[in-house]
Amino acid sequence: KAGVTQTPRYLIKTRGQQVTLSCSPISGHRSVSWYQQTPGQGLQFLFEYFSETQRNKGNFPGRFSGRQFSNSRSEMNVSTLELGDSALYLCASSPGQTRWPSTDTQYFGPGTRLTVL
Amino acid sequence: AQSVAQPEDQVNVAEGNPLTVKCTYSVSGNPYLFWYVQYPNRGLQFLLKYITGDNLVKGSYGFEAEFNKSQTSFHLKKPSALVSDSALYFCAAYFGNEKLTFGTGTRLTIIP
Repeated sequence: KAGVTQTPRYLIKTRGQQVTLSCSPISGHRSVSWYQQTPGQGLQFLFEYFSETQRNKGNFPGRFSGRQFSNSRSEMNVSTLELGDSALYLCASSPGQTRWPSTDTQYFGPGTRLTVL
Repeated sequence: AQSVAQPEDQVNVAEGNPLTVKCTYSVSGNPYLFWYVQYPNRGLQFLLKYITGDNLVKGSYGFEAEFNKSQTSFHLKKPSALVSDSALYFCAAYFGNEKLTFGTGTRLTIIP
């Protein structure tokens, strides 16, 4: 099976712009989670989607949003970008057989590195 | 509040020696615990998890971890380190309705 794919891999934006990141889960996986990784804050959970519904959400401002499509692909949007949004954004998928966080193994994509200038 | 601590930012081990990467958590009850590894310019790779049952969990690449409820620890171990084990290791925990929380990471360097 193909792994989790994320596009684009690298992105440069300026403050105030918005950005959309895409994640394609492993075929058959219905749960997609997003994480932000920065040197200062480490890995932080953003949100998780299952069957097109957001099941859980981390402590991020409303500028961070996401959605999931019927084919389980997910997008994450960040509006009004700030310098502090520069980070590696990781997407993970899992079968999603049980309620999040399930005991399913999460498989991560390579990430999208976002740089905000 | 739930938190995960990885007390060592950096661990150096000689190739062939046993390695331990430490993790402690500060939640009550029975958390779900995970170990992930991250190689340069790569996403996280799942190593192992503890949900319930046997306290010794075996995972990928010869790694294992021992859940110790009394010490609230979940240390990652490997009997004989390889140079290819050099990477960034993350411990994560979940309990109840709290969010999955990661530790700050430990950079493991295996010295040839």
